[in-house]
Amino acid sequence: EAGVTQFPSHSVIEKGQTVTLRCDPISGHDNLYWYRRVMGKEIKFLLHFVKESKQDESGMPNNRFLAERTGGTYSTLKVQPAELEDSGVYFCASSTVDSTDTQYFGPGTRLTVL
Amino acid sequence: QKEVEQDPGPLSVPEGAIVSLNCTYSNSAFQYFMWYRQYSRKGPELLMYTYSSGNKEDGRFTAQVDKSSKYISLFIRDSQPSDSATYLCAMSAASGYALNFGKGTSLLVTP
Repeated sequence: EAGVTQFPSHSVIEKGQTVTLRCDPISGHDNLYWYRRVMGKEIKFLLHFVKESKQDESGMPNNRFLAERTGGTYSTLKVQPAELEDSGVYFCASSTVDSTDTQYFGPGTRLTVL
Repeated sequence: QKEVEQDPGPLSVPEGAIVSLNCTYSNSAFQYFMWYRQYSRKGPELLMYTYSSGNKEDGRFTAQVDKSSKYISLFIRDSQPSDSATYLCAMSAASGYALNFGKGTSLLVTP
């Protein structure tokens, strides 16, 4: 069974540009989470989808971040326009409805904003 | 005050040593406690999961939760060089909710 995959693995963009990160959860996992780790800080929660619905988006830092999960499969996280403080590693995790306490993480996307 | 505190280390031990990793937390609503292991340039991998207080053992790993002290621990017996990684504690108030992570402790097990 394939794990959580994320694309790209690394992105370098200029301040003011737009970047879109993609996450493909494990097949059959209705729960999808986005987290972010800024250098020197702990991993922090951004938002949680159940299928295509946003269950909790309390961790989204501001309206420059837009997450979607059309069709309840893969998810995208768009940052527009990117700022220097958006640099970090963005992780996606997924879990089943029956085993919500076991979140499986992807390898992350390392975003560098110059 | 951060909700989850974890000493970032680094912690260096010789092969075969017993390793003790710890986290403290401030939110008494936390009920679910996890330990993740993260190798360099990889995503966190769930190692141990405990609900509420108590101990849980899995091979060389033992997780302990003391809710009265708001303190959780992970013990690694007979540590191996392959155990060298960053260990992250994480916790949540309810199953399926957002995880709250510690900063992670970097562990190096030397042959």
